[in-house]
Amino acid sequence: EVQVVESGGGLVQPGGSLRLSCAASGFTFSNYCMSWVRQAPGKGLEWVANIKEDGSEKYYVDSVKGRFTISRDNAKNSLYLQMDSLRAEDTAVYYCARLYYTSGSCYAFSEYWGQGTLVTVSS
Amino acid sequence: DIQMTQSPSSLSASVGDRVTITCRASQGISNWLAWYQQKPEKAPKSLIYATSVLQSGVPSRFSGSRSGTDFTLTISGLQPEDFATYYCQQYKSYPISFGQGTRLEIK
Repeated sequence: EVQVVESGGGLVQPGGSLRLSCAASGFTFSNYCMSWVRQAPGKGLEWVANIKEDGSEKYYVDSVKGRFTISRDNAKNSLYLQMDSLRAEDTAVYYCARLYYTSGSCYAFSEYWGQGTLVTVSS
Repeated sequence: DIQMTQSPSSLSASVGDRVTITCRASQGISNWLAWYQQKPEKAPKSLIYATSVLQSGVPSRFSGSRSGTDFTLTISGLQPEDFATYYCQQYKSYPISFGQGTRLEIK
């Protein structure tokens, strides 16, 4: 069974840092591109970042460029999101998702989602 | 950047009804369009990708279609478990973008 489980959320002050983790199981992690998507309280979904299978390419929404870093450790079946210079508007539930893979390519369709981890940025 | 405009923002319907949710892309995205379902306090669930391909395990009452840059999610014969919020998403190019969501409520 495919599973992705996020952890690392919590309360942090504006300007602070937090590192989210996503533990993957039930599939060959190193074959799949991965993603972070967030949802502010009472709001819609917002894509945050994607990373290729081998970590060679990374993509970010403009609002987090230069502040957030997506990374992965294929030996540990884990995805990460390092969040620095956090702002109140970064408050959200952060979801980890496995992207769709077929015929040697990955596509930015989020096939499987974790349950999310809440990040609250407040003083 | 590609904008996704979803309509309506909310919809009331009864069990057994046929409902349609529309998503319009600000430019051509071919068939790179997905639909997700989200229930309160739950993670999103993938329903459809490539405009019309049902994700494994999704009931056949869900269907997707496209006309130009207009995309449609249709639910034929609403079931109680279908009342949720639905989002479209384009994945043709970065930045990936979602529609604003459609809340489907019981009439």
